[in-house]
Amino acid sequence: DQQVKQNSPSLSVQEGRISILNCDYTNSMFDYFLWYKKYPAEGPTFLISISSIKDKNEDGRFTVFLNKSAKHLSLHIVPSQPGDSAVYFCAAVYSGTYKYIFGTGTRLKVLA
Amino acid sequence: NAGVMQNPRHLVRRRGQEARLRCSPMKGHSHVYWYRQLPEEGLKFMVYLQKENIIDESGMPKERFSAEFPKEGPSILRIQQVVRGDSAAYFCASSPGTGQSPLHFGNGTRLTVT
Repeated sequence: DQQVKQNSPSLSVQEGRISILNCDYTNSMFDYFLWYKKYPAEGPTFLISISSIKDKNEDGRFTVFLNKSAKHLSLHIVPSQPGDSAVYFCAAVYSGTYKYIFGTGTRLKVLA
Repeated sequence: NAGVMQNPRHLVRRRGQEARLRCSPMKGHSHVYWYRQLPEEGLKFMVYLQKENIIDESGMPKERFSAEFPKEGPSILRIQQVVRGDSAAYFCASSPGTGQSPLHFGNGTRLTVT
């Protein structure tokens, strides 16, 4: 039962353009959502998060949007840079359980 | 300010041997998580521990796998009688366990079973 889904395994974007990574979830109890970035042979690095009481959170070039009715969140990266090329994971958690569930990841390639 | 420390980074075991993976959480963090990543797959939750307690082990195979987080020392993920299917990257993460906070990950242990 995949509670957190990233349906696009890969995405290619030109440098300077916007990258949009998508994530869907099924469990309406989730109340905290996160995005991580992972380079090969390294651990995931926390990027940005959003609480279910908000619909948008911004940090520099990274913005996360949450649509609770659609059970959908997205990560926008503007402008995209070659160093952003990595695998991006979304994650969700219900604070009552502290069990963080991860999606399968989307490999982003930013073309110079 | 040390992050989550995992060792070893690489571990090679023959089928039937035991593998011990260690994780020291970030300073001040009392919650530890273990995740497994198989090639070309996502991060699969295995177990969530607090000091001296296993809180949720629903993602961990019932046989051959065990985890602990003692009062003193690192968290240990132990795999007995390893099989080739255990070959994967094992990541440890920690959190302070208060409110809504992100997990912080170590760089993982890559286990290869020959």
